[in-house]
Amino acid sequence: EDQVTQSPEALRLQEGESSSLNCSYTVSGLRGLFWYRQDPGKGPEFLFTLYSAGEEKEKERLKATLTKKESFLHITAPKPEDSATYLCAVRSRDDKIIFGKGTRLHILP
Amino acid sequence: NAGVTQTPKFQVLKTGQSMTLQCAQDMNHNSMYWYRQDPGMGLRLIYYSASEGTTDKGEVPNGYNVSRLNKREFSLRLESAAPSQTSVYFCASHGGAGVGNEQFFGPGTRLTVL
Repeated sequence: EDQVTQSPEALRLQEGESSSLNCSYTVSGLRGLFWYRQDPGKGPEFLFTLYSAGEEKEKERLKATLTKKESFLHITAPKPEDSATYLCAVRSRDDKIIFGKGTRLHILP
Repeated sequence: NAGVTQTPKFQVLKTGQSMTLQCAQDMNHNSMYWYRQDPGMGLRLIYYSASEGTTDKGEVPNGYNVSRLNKREFSLRLESAAPSQTSVYFCASHGGAGVGNEQFFGPGTRLTVL
């Protein structure tokens, strides 16, 4: 059964304090792992797609990495505006896309 | 180019009433999806359609039906609404391999069942 597990559920950091969010997955025939950001009351905002183990992508203070069993979203020197819920999703060979429960990130000024 | 549109944006139903949530995309995408989002639960897949003419159950299909009317439109129907179906519903589409390979989301429908 396809499954996505994100940890931690919530994370509070001081501004400038770097950390990582984890996404563990099991999926039949991975056709992409996605990271999204979601602000309260809004739909998900696309960040990255990763396709194969060893791949990395960066955008501003965010870097996503992928192994055969998990992905990490590294946040370097975060700012208060990085506060949001971060969602991980996987696409299987039959085009099903399922999400984890998300990590609520709060950056304190 | 409107992307993914959903109607209505808000809806209040009484227990036992029925309704259909409409979704349309203008990006010529093959795959479309319906999710529900409850506090602390992320997005849970209700049904998806990998191509025109096909539909498949997701993680939480009970109490819902879907119709892929054509390549553009994918509707979600609640035949007899229950309070447990109070949620925010998102429709999404996906174009397959290509730039970004991302899902595009509609603005969401906030449904309350009394």
